Amino acid sequence: GQNIDQPTEMTATEGAIVQINCTYQTSGFNGLFWYQQHAGEAPTFLSYNVLDGLEEKGRFSSFLSRSKGYSYLLLKELQMKDSASYLCAVRDLSAGNNRKLIWGLGTSLAVNP
Amino acid sequence: EAGVVQSPRYKIIEKKQPVAFWCNPISGHNTLYWYRQNLGQGPELLIRYENEEAVDDSQLPKDRFSAERLKGVDSTLKIQPAELGDSAVYLCASSSGQLNIQYFGAGTRLSVL
Repeated sequence: GQNIDQPTEMTATEGAIVQINCTYQTSGFNGLFWYQQHAGEAPTFLSYNVLDGLEEKGRFSSFLSRSKGYSYLLLKELQMKDSASYLCAVRDLSAGNNRKLIWGLGTSLAVNP
Repeated sequence: EAGVVQSPRYKIIEKKQPVAFWCNPISGHNTLYWYRQNLGQGPELLIRYENEEAVDDSQLPKDRFSAERLKGVDSTLKIQPAELGDSAVYLCASSSGQLNIQYFGAGTRLSVL
């Protein structure tokens, strides 16, 4: 089957570091995406991992371990504008086509002053 | 470069009425997606097009929902008749290339009264 798990809510302080975890179970893994979604807005692409390791992009980094079915999104030097929902999505070849993503429910991050 | 354009942004209708949403994808993107997203949930795929062909409509409630993508560019999603449970945000996304990163429009927030 297909399953993606991520925490429902997280809280952090401005200037701090926060790590949002995502675990997945798929039979045809072919890449993992992180999206940011502010309230009332559309999801925007943050990062993509298909090989094991860390991908760094400014204040945001994403890590993948395929053997563990695990990824995390690391946000450094948190700003108030980082308060949003963070969605983990996995591309699964067994779903029938390499363009179909399986989406998690999202992690709502609140950054407090 | 223009992003994915959707209209209208908001729609309020009474149950049993018809409603239609329109999407113009990013120029050159062959793949177009319609998603439905409820509050606190991840996007749920309704239908996916490759050019003008619907290649995955397994999640589309075909008794009341229909979609078309004439000429492989713009797309419309229609609900007739609408039910109370159809209240949600309807997102359109498009993608192209090997990575198939999906880019989303701002969405249409539908309220069925």
